[in-house]
Amino acid sequence: QSALTQPASVSGSPGQSITISCTGTSSDIGAYNYVSWFQQHPGKVPRLMIYDVGNRPSGVSNRFSGSKSGNTASLTISGLQAEDEADYYCTSYTTSTIFAWVFGGGTKLTVL
Amino acid sequence: EVQLVQSGAEVKKPGESLKISCKGSGYSFTTHWIGWVRQMPGKGLEWMGIIYPGDSRTKYSPSFQDQVTMSADTSLSSAYLQWSSLKASDTAIYYCLRHDQSGSSSWYYWGQGTLVTVSS
Repeated sequence: QSALTQPASVSGSPGQSITISCTGTSSDIGAYNYVSWFQQHPGKVPRLMIYDVGNRPSGVSNRFSGSKSGNTASLTISGLQAEDEADYYCTSYTTSTIFAWVFGGGTKLTVL
Repeated sequence: EVQLVQSGAEVKKPGESLKISCKGSGYSFTTHWIGWVRQMPGKGLEWMGIIYPGDSRTKYSPSFQDQVTMSADTSLSSAYLQWSSLKASDTAIYYCLRHDQSGSSSWYYWGQGTLVTVSS
């Protein structure tokens, strides 16, 4: 089962905006609005930041936003802060196999 | 308050069997899919499979089919992940997580993770 494709790393300076892409296929991201993003700090449990492409759970800063175009979903973080430095993973519902979900490989965000 | 509490860290030898648990509380355990995710040391997240405790329906990721077994005991509000013969490559943190509702990609609640170390 192929993983979704994310850049290995992105970086930005405090206050800037960055975007992390997550590329799939017409069997997952392109077909459904079931894309989520998780943030994981070192040694911590992953945290849901975005679900259903662009919805934020309660308590997540509005600096985090999600979108989708075709087979690619994106996570944008505006007003970058030092605490945003973490690994970010996308996941999508998929019908490419009998199993329903697939992760991206993860993106390491560095705040310069 | 919804909580998923996982069993503690395990140290096992290759070839041994293991069953780890994930106990849900604060919600109706039978009506939400539970997922299992593996994270090998220094690596990313991998879906292993999902189970619907209400009827024990399971779906396995192809990479984990026949490698592990998922189960659930609704009387204990617990989901389980088990191995019949561990390998060193099973060393990882294993997370359980709860699907929040049908027709959504919200997996909000996670267990704290169970570290499994397999070493001779």
